[in-house]
Parts: sequence; structure tokens; C-alpha cells
Amino acid sequence: AQTVTQSQPEMSVQEAETVTLSCTYDTSESDYYLFWYKQPPSRQMILVIRQEAYKQQNATENRFSVNFQKAAKSFSLKISDSQLGDAAMYFCAYRSTQGGSEKLVFGKGTKLTVNP
Amino acid sequence: DGGITQSPKYLFRKEGQNVTLSCEQNLNHDAMYWYRQDPGQGLRLIYYSQIVNDFQKGDIAEGYSVSREKKESFPLTVTSAQKNPTAFYLCATASGFGGELFFGEGSRLTVL
Repeated sequence: AQTVTQSQPEMSVQEAETVTLSCTYDTSESDYYLFWYKQPPSRQMILVIRQEAYKQQNATENRFSVNFQKAAKSFSLKISDSQLGDAAMYFCAYRSTQGGSEKLVFGKGTKLTVNP
Repeated sequence: DGGITQSPKYLFRKEGQNVTLSCEQNLNHDAMYWYRQDPGQGLRLIYYSQIVNDFQKGDIAEGYSVSREKKESFPLTVTSAQKNPTAFYLCATASGFGGELFFGEGSRLTVL
């Protein structure tokens, strides 16, 4: 079974600076999807970014980018120019592409604090 | 307005009572999911359904039941057999193979 590990329960960053959240995963599959979700205090889960394993290029979405290292099974999220609104729980998630396994497996999350 | 509606947002239950959480979607998505969230535990999958009249157990299905009689609806019943039901419950949908999940706003269940 696939597992997702987020080794940083909490992180903090100064406003306008850059922070990187770590995620590693374990799988024997060669093709899959990876996601970062954000959960602000409202508890609404919001998709931040997604990466398809067959794509070598790292995904980017405005101030958010990933460092996808397939061989190392690592999928870190970099937030540039951090803003107060980035404060939230961040969850890394894995999804298989194999039929019948279309569930998301989540890590335990990293709580990000943004200091003014 | 397209989206996923979970109700109620807050629910209190006495021990020994069954309770049903509603999840309705108008996104025309085939797959629907129920996750449970506890502090420090991330999200854990309870049940999921990829088509009408079919569903599969997730990692923590004991004490829960679901039905999928309509594409739009995937209610979750928390039974009295669930030993620790106090938690935040999230319903999600997905449009197709490999797509991301879209989440409702969640339901907070408290057992008194």
C-alpha cells in the first residue's frame, strides 16, 4: 500500500520570504499523481498544485512550485513571497493511476505559520 | 451554483445513536469519497464509490455505512458501533481517472 510522509508537523516563515515543505512517499508504481492541498482555518480543502509522475518538468502555480524527485520519491512544495493568507495546514497526497485504486492517500499535514 | 454540499455543518449526538451525514453534488462527478480528519492524523478514507450502486471500504470503514443510490448523493451513516466518532468528516468528488478531488466544507460531529 502507498504511504505518504510529511516529516515537518509545523513550519514558520516570515512574510515575503520563501519556505519549503517536505513530502516523501512510498510506491511501487511508475505512474501516479501527486498533489498539495491547503486547508485554511475555514477547513475547506483547496488544491494548490498537482504533478503527474510521467512529467519530468516540475509543476508551478504562481508563487507555488514543486521539486519532484521521482527516484528519491520526494515531492516538496516551495512557497515564494509568503503572504499572511498562506497560513494553513498543507497536505501532500498521492493518487494511483491504476484502475480500481482511484483514492487519494494523504500525509498527516504540515501546519504553516506566516509571521508579519 | 456548482459544488458539493455537506450537511449538517455541526452535529451533536448522544452515545448509542446512529447519525447520517449528507453529501450532495451537482458537478456530475462519478466518484465520491468520505474522509475522516482527526488532529495530527491527516485525512483517512472511510468509504468511496466510483459508480452508482457500488462502493468500497476504505482504511477505517468499521462502524460506518454508506449508500450510493443516486449519482448526486453519497450519505454516510455513523453507527453506534463506531467507538470514537467525534471528528471532522469531509466528502469529496472526482471527475475521472487521475483527477484531483474536490471537497465539501465538512461536517463536525461531536458525541456527547
